[in-house]
Amino acid sequence: EAQVTQNPRYLITVTGKKLTVTCSQNMNHEYMSWYRQDPGLGLRQIYYSMNVEVTDKGDVPEGYKVSRKEKRNFPLILESPSPNQTSLYFCASSLGPRTEAFFGQGTRLTVV
Amino acid sequence: KNQVEQSPQSLIILEGKNCTLQCNYTVSPFSNLRWYKQDTGRGPVSLTIMTFSENTKSNGRYTATLDADTKQSSLHITASQLSDSASYICVVSATDFNKFYFGSGTKLNVKP
Repeated sequence: EAQVTQNPRYLITVTGKKLTVTCSQNMNHEYMSWYRQDPGLGLRQIYYSMNVEVTDKGDVPEGYKVSRKEKRNFPLILESPSPNQTSLYFCASSLGPRTEAFFGQGTRLTVV
Repeated sequence: KNQVEQSPQSLIILEGKNCTLQCNYTVSPFSNLRWYKQDTGRGPVSLTIMTFSENTKSNGRYTATLDADTKQSSLHITASQLSDSASYICVVSATDFNKFYFGSGTKLNVKP
């Protein structure tokens, strides 16, 4: 089954403790991206990747890092999480930036 | 500035009724426009996609229209069902940017 898998689904952590949210897709898509969704603000792009070893900033990259060492995986790293990063995070993949995007189930992160 | 605006922000209708959601955009140069359905706490799922030359696209009870001249799109839902209760998000792609532009969504509540 074609899918985008994020882990974990729920995470509560403390300020400053590094964490990684994993994202994996099995559709051989080249384009992958991370979004955060906050009430009233809609989906905002954090980072995207056009292909292996090619990443670029989206609209709200501050406080986040990503890597794309393999085509199928695109982890989101928070080196020093802060409470303003409490949000619902989605990973998505697509053949390209202008084709249909497939979203993961979401990761609800709470930073206390 | 590339923007996507949706209206209304929220809508309540009775089961069996029709409704129309609006999307206005300023994204240029335009590549395509998608409508997504997002159930609470889950990732968005694509409903329709339209390119510049298409002005109507249907997916079951969902019909999207596009007027590329006025930069407006609408999503019409026919004979609404309780399962249509969700947020509907308009997403526009530009031909020369490697990113999607998201509207903040319309939250639809279908009541019995």
